Amino acid sequence: GDSVTQMEGPVTLSEEAFLTINCTYTATGYPSLFWYVQYPGEGLQLLLKATKADDKGSNKGFEATYRKETTSFHLEKGSVQVSDSAVYFCALREGNTGFQKLVFGTGTRLLVSP
Amino acid sequence: NAGVTQTPKFQVLKTGQSMTLQCAQDMNHEYMSWYRQDPGMGLRLIHYSVGAGITDQGEVPNGYNVSRSTTEDFPLRLLSAAPSQTSVYFCATSLFPDSAYGYTFGSGTRLTVV
Repeated sequence: GDSVTQMEGPVTLSEEAFLTINCTYTATGYPSLFWYVQYPGEGLQLLLKATKADDKGSNKGFEATYRKETTSFHLEKGSVQVSDSAVYFCALREGNTGFQKLVFGTGTRLLVSP
Repeated sequence: NAGVTQTPKFQVLKTGQSMTLQCAQDMNHEYMSWYRQDPGMGLRLIHYSVGAGITDQGEVPNGYNVSRSTTEDFPLRLLSAAPSQTSVYFCATSLFPDSAYGYTFGSGTRLTVV
């Protein structure tokens, strides 16, 4: 079946540092790809998405580019803030018809210190 | 505008006890899902529903029952709790079957089975 692999955390950064969280996937075809964020004590929220190869998703200063040649969707941010501390999940959409499920990676915890 | 409401937020059960995790939404979303979140495992789909009266199994359905009598509610039942069911449970809803449009997650129920 389809799967998503994320880098293990935690990722610990100082405020204003550059962030990269790696995500690669294994799937048939070219599935839609997502990043979800989970703040402490809350449910997951959609951060950004890309629905086809070479698309770039962006939101709140975060970006990720769908690279089909490397089957990757790495999350980046140029300057992180303490408020970005959260768990980040990479996910893909499985299937093309009916109820299309999300397959999640294991999550990467980001800790940003002042 | 409540969105997705999960109750309770925390629960401790003894092995063999039964309980129901509640999920209610006020967005008129047809599609609802239950996920469990475990360290190092990401989120895994337990059961899902594509509308009132229609449910289906996800990746890890054993030990859980669901029903969907109304659009608003999608309870998850544990008939005989086991320590392996210690986890954080999330309910998610979507307006469309295509998960590319994103899910709305509840804030979760943290369940401990002793």
